[in-house]
Amino acid sequence: AQSVSQHNHHVILSEAASLELGCNYSYGGTVNLFWYVQYPGQHLQLLLKYFSGDPLVKGIKGFEAEFIKSKFSFNLRKPSVQWSDTAEYFCAVRGRFGAGTRLTVKP
Amino acid sequence: DAGVIQSPRHEVTEMGQEVTLRCKPISGHNSLFWYRQTMMRGLELLIYFNNNVPIDDSGMPEDRFSAKMPNASFSTLKIQPSEPRDSAVYFCASSERLAAKNQETQYFGPGTRLLVL
Repeated sequence: AQSVSQHNHHVILSEAASLELGCNYSYGGTVNLFWYVQYPGQHLQLLLKYFSGDPLVKGIKGFEAEFIKSKFSFNLRKPSVQWSDTAEYFCAVRGRFGAGTRLTVKP
Repeated sequence: DAGVIQSPRHEVTEMGQEVTLRCKPISGHNSLFWYRQTMMRGLELLIYFNNNVPIDDSGMPEDRFSAKMPNASFSTLKIQPSEPRDSAVYFCASSERLAAKNQETQYFGPGTRLLVL
């Protein structure tokens, strides 16, 4: 079955720590990949997307993601997180979302 | 553009009542999605329309849920009868299809927060 898996339900980091959130999918063929963020009390915002080309995608707020086709993965990274990055992060493939990963950054 | 518009923003109703949620997509977008978000289940795709036609409704939980898109600028999600377990935030999103089939970006509405007592 087609699915999108986010490995971590809740990640807790201290400020300045590096972040990597996993996302794997089971779709075949061409895919378009997205990462969204939802800050507390706010609606979803697009962080970055990949359609084709350079598999390393730069997004807003210092986030990036790497598409590894052989691993069916699209992991989200940030070298140094801030307290303001506390939010829920969703990976999406073809309109289907992963369960989300809640990130808590301790000041 | 005003973005995706949803109404109402908040709805409180009693079990057994009919609930209708409304969505106006961004003008020119040809795809529309309804999602539900809860603490327990996270974000779920309920149904997806393309050019006003339902393409994938596999996420609709049961027959009490129905969705329509009578034209390109309006969609409804109806729950009849509503139950307490339907309490959630319901998001509508629209997207435009670019040249390649899968190249589209979704834009989300602010959501409707539904509480069924």
